[in-house]
Amino acid sequence: EPEVTQTPSHQVTQMGQEVILRCVPISNHLYFYWYRQILGQKVEFLVSFYNNEISEKSEIFDDQFSVERPDGSNFTLKIRSTKLEDSAMYFCASSEKSGVSGNTIYFGEGSWLTVV
Amino acid sequence: QKEVEQNSGPLSVPEGAIASLNCTYSDRVSQSFFWYRQYSGKSPELIMSIYSNGDKEDGRFTAQLNKASQYVSLLIRDSQPSDSATYLCAVYGGYNKLIFGAGTRLAVHP
Repeated sequence: EPEVTQTPSHQVTQMGQEVILRCVPISNHLYFYWYRQILGQKVEFLVSFYNNEISEKSEIFDDQFSVERPDGSNFTLKIRSTKLEDSAMYFCASSEKSGVSGNTIYFGEGSWLTVV
Repeated sequence: QKEVEQNSGPLSVPEGAIASLNCTYSDRVSQSFFWYRQYSGKSPELIMSIYSNGDKEDGRFTAQLNKASQYVSLLIRDSQPSDSATYLCAVYGGYNKLIFGAGTRLAVHP
């Protein structure tokens, strides 16, 4: 069964350092997302991406964050200068269609980011 | 602010029983609803989606939607210890944005 793959599975970084989390969405999917989950808290939407541009972003997704589809298969999340509060599990997700009925969003296994 | 509310639990049921999980949502115009299962330290895994009022069954799982009352529920029949996990209710909150509840922790004991 096709799946969303993410690397690395776990990264430890020093505060202030740049981090890039990588994702390979399901191959025929056109819509890509990043969500995050701080330990013990809700899964939160960060950003959605379609046709090489951001289609929606949350208040969490400030200037420190950026996304890119550098080639035909990868989708990346960059955090420019990490803060302690960025420590979380980051989930990449993808879907074939957008919005309402009939659309299913599939999640990758997550990248656990620890900022020290 | 669009919200999805769930009882955090834990909901403890004996093996073989029916587990009933509930969720309410604040946005009256929401059209698409999902139940995800999340094991500790793992990613959300889609269990069921439901878009129309009424019941939708898939194996041991039944999702129920009542748009007038703004609630969606998940029934798990013949609960197994392997069903022990956190169950996340999610609602489309925008063009392509899922809004998740905090999840209900289910514990199925032998």
